[in-house]
Amino acid sequence: DVKVTQSSRYLVKRTGEKVFLECVQDMDHENMFWYRQDPGLGLRLIYFSYDVKMKEKGDIPEGYSVSREKKERFSLILESASTNQTSMYLCASNPSLARNTYEQYFGPGTRLTVT
Amino acid sequence: QKEVEQDPGPLSVPEGAIVSLNCTYSNSAFQYFMWYRQYSRKGPELLMYTYSSGNKEDGRFTAQVDKSSKYISLFIRDSQPSDSATYLCAMAPFLSGNTGKLIFGQGTTLQVKP
Repeated sequence: DVKVTQSSRYLVKRTGEKVFLECVQDMDHENMFWYRQDPGLGLRLIYFSYDVKMKEKGDIPEGYSVSREKKERFSLILESASTNQTSMYLCASNPSLARNTYEQYFGPGTRLTVT
Repeated sequence: QKEVEQDPGPLSVPEGAIVSLNCTYSNSAFQYFMWYRQYSRKGPELLMYTYSSGNKEDGRFTAQVDKSSKYISLFIRDSQPSDSATYLCAMAPFLSGNTGKLIFGQGTTLQVKP
């Protein structure tokens, strides 16, 4: 079974703090994604990575950065947390388009509250 | 107009009912279609995955794709209270160099009452 794990289920941070969200997948997947999910807005893509050290902006990258130093690990960084970044953050991975597979496998999510 | 439209509900049905969940889309290049189930405060889990048109069945679940109408459906037979969750549709085009980015519907919240 594919397993995607996220470092924290619940996180409370203060405005202005630097926040790191970690995601690890154990299936040697090439592609990894970070989303945020908010009521009424659905899933929105923040960043994705299709290879180690490669990244591309998604639909809402402002205020976020990412790091992928190893294939299995994809980190989301909030440089200076703000209250409007309070949300559910979901990490996902996808095997490889070379195999014509598009399905993504999600982690359990991190519910981040910024006060 | 959003690329993928999905009625957020909520949809409430009695136990044992047949449930029909639907999404419409505007991009005729979409070839890969998925349904995810998301329980409250959990991550989405992949339920069904289909390529191009046609039906796919897995136990009580049937996924249907009608590309001519740009319409996909998920049917749940003999619905159970444990099916209560939010169901998200997702799709992707077949494009060379595509990095696997999916387009998601907003999700439909389903409640199955005992």
